[in-house]
Order: sequence, then structure tokens, then C-alpha cells
Amino acid sequence: SQKIEQNSEALNIQEGKTATLTCNYTNYSPAYLQWYRQDPGRGPVFLLLIRENEKEKRKERLKVTFDTTLKQSLFHITASQPADSATYLCALSYNNNDMRFGAGTRLTVKP
Amino acid sequence: GAGVSQSPSNKVTEKGKDVELRCDPISGHTALYWYRQSLGQGLEFLIYFQGNSAPDKSGLPSDRFSAERTGGSVSTLTIQRTQQEDSAVYLCASSLQTSGAYEQYFGPGTRLTVT
Repeated sequence: SQKIEQNSEALNIQEGKTATLTCNYTNYSPAYLQWYRQDPGRGPVFLLLIRENEKEKRKERLKVTFDTTLKQSLFHITASQPADSATYLCALSYNNNDMRFGAGTRLTVKP
Repeated sequence: GAGVSQSPSNKVTEKGKDVELRCDPISGHTALYWYRQSLGQGLEFLIYFQGNSAPDKSGLPSDRFSAERTGGSVSTLTIQRTQQEDSAVYLCASSLQTSGAYEQYFGPGTRLTVT
């Protein structure tokens, strides 16, 4: 069965630094990979989507890469701010009909 | 515009009772998903609906769980004979379609506590 692993439960970085979060999967590559942000007590909010045939996507301070050889997606937040502190979830879509989410990485940006 | 809404926001019930959780998706979204999130865990897929097609129930953990979607809009997730391990936040999401090419819009969730 497919497994989705996000690098660590928690990541602490200093304000202004770049945060890098990892999403690894097993077996075959998904057609689509999405990243969401979740704040405590709230539902996840969509951030970025990247397709299987795309290497990189950017949106403002966010960047996502997708390496089907390594079976890995990296999510970067540049010039991080305390307001970026949240849990970040990766989600993979294989058969075009549903999404499977990772357990998430809790990011804390310290001022 | 209005987002996805869920009710109730919190539900405390006694073990063995039945509960119903409601989800109102974004108007025009044909796809609707239910997930379960236990404390500190990721989202566990339960079921999805796409238009008038038969729902994909592959994620339902037991036959105590069922869901329906009336008129292609509002959905109800029912848990019969609740157990303590059912305690979790139940999240609903809607999307234009079920394809992974479309983002999902989540509701705030229903926190279920089974005592």
C-alpha cells in the first residue's frame, strides 16, 4: 500500500530563514501533489498544487518541487515569519478520485 | 462567498449512542469528502461523493459508519453505536471535482468526544 511520510513532526527555525519541509512517498508517483496549511482548531487551507510532469512551482514566498526519481516533494518557505507557524500537510492524488494526506509537519518560526 | 460549513462544531456523546454530523459544501461543488483527524495525526480519508455517482466508501473504518448526500448538496455522516476510539475531529471538504487537479475547501470540522 502507498505510504506518505513527512520528514519530521516538528521543525523550528529562526525568522528570516528558509523553512524546508519534506514529503516522501512509496511505490508509484501521484498524478497530483498538493500542499495545505492547517492552523490549530481549523481545517486545512490549500497552498500549492504540482503535477507529476512539473519540477517546480512558486507562489510568492512559497516553492514546491517534485522529484519522481527520489519520490519526494520539498516545500520551501523563504524569508519565514512567525505568522508562517502552522502545520503543513502534503496530499497525494493517485487515481484522480481522492486525496491521501500525510501526517503533517508542525513548523514554528521564532522571532 | 460562503465556505464549507459543518455542524455541530462540538459533540459530546455517550458510548453506544448514534451521532449525525452535517456538512454544507460550497454551492456548485460536485465533489464532497469526509476525513477524520485524531489528535496530532494526519487526515484519514473516510468517503467521497462525486455528483450522482455511487460514493467511494473504501475508507470507512467499520460498518458503524455511513454517509449520504442528498440532492447532490448537503451530506450527513452517521456513526452508530459510538465507541471511544471514534473520538476525533471530523472534517468535510468540497471541490469542483474529485480530480486531484482541484483544490479542496475544508470546513472547520466537528470535534466528537465519546465518553
